Amino acid sequence: AQTVTQSQPEMSVQEAETVTLSCTYDTSESDYYLFWYKQPPSRQMILVIRQEAYKQQNATENRFSVNFQKAAKSFSLKISDSQLGDAAMYFCAYRTYPNTGTASKLTFGTGTRLQVTL
Amino acid sequence: DTAVSQTPKYLVTQMGNDKSIKCEQNLGHDTMYWYKQDSKKFLKIMFSYNNKELIINETVPNRFSPKSPDKAHLNLHINSLELGDSAVYFCASSQDGRPLYNEQFFGPGTRLTVL
Repeated sequence: AQTVTQSQPEMSVQEAETVTLSCTYDTSESDYYLFWYKQPPSRQMILVIRQEAYKQQNATENRFSVNFQKAAKSFSLKISDSQLGDAAMYFCAYRTYPNTGTASKLTFGTGTRLQVTL
Repeated sequence: DTAVSQTPKYLVTQMGNDKSIKCEQNLGHDTMYWYKQDSKKFLKIMFSYNNKELIINETVPNRFSPKSPDKAHLNLHINSLELGDSAVYFCASSQDGRPLYNEQFFGPGTRLTVL
């Protein structure tokens, strides 16, 4: 079974600074997806960034980027120029590559609470 | 327009009652999910339906019964509610079965409190 580990329960960053959230996972699959979701106090789950395992290039979305190390099974999230609105729970998630007619679940890590200070 | 909607957003009830949570998606997706987020914020899959067929059924008490009347709806019925059922329940949907990236879109969640 796949597992996702987030070893940092809480992180803090000053506004405008950069922070990196860690995530490791365990799988025997070669094709899969990895995601970072953000959950602000409103509790809405918001997709931040995604990475397909077959792509070697690290995904980037504006101020958010990942460091994907497939051999090490590591998928960290870097937030640059942190803003107050980035304060939230961040969940790393793994998803198997779906086959036709089947569904594949998201397996989540335990989350990292990010605080952004002035 | 809300892509994935859930009703109600908040549900407070007594132990032993039976309650339902409804979910609807207007994205035309063929797969829907129920996740449970416990008090420690841990999110775990409960069920998944693909084209109204149960695909994923994790180890969940049989007091929980999902029902999918059509591809756009997935409801969750809970019998004989217990204190431990208190959690936030999220519905999600995606278009599966394609060799393409397929994001899961989440509803706003339903906070269930059992007294």
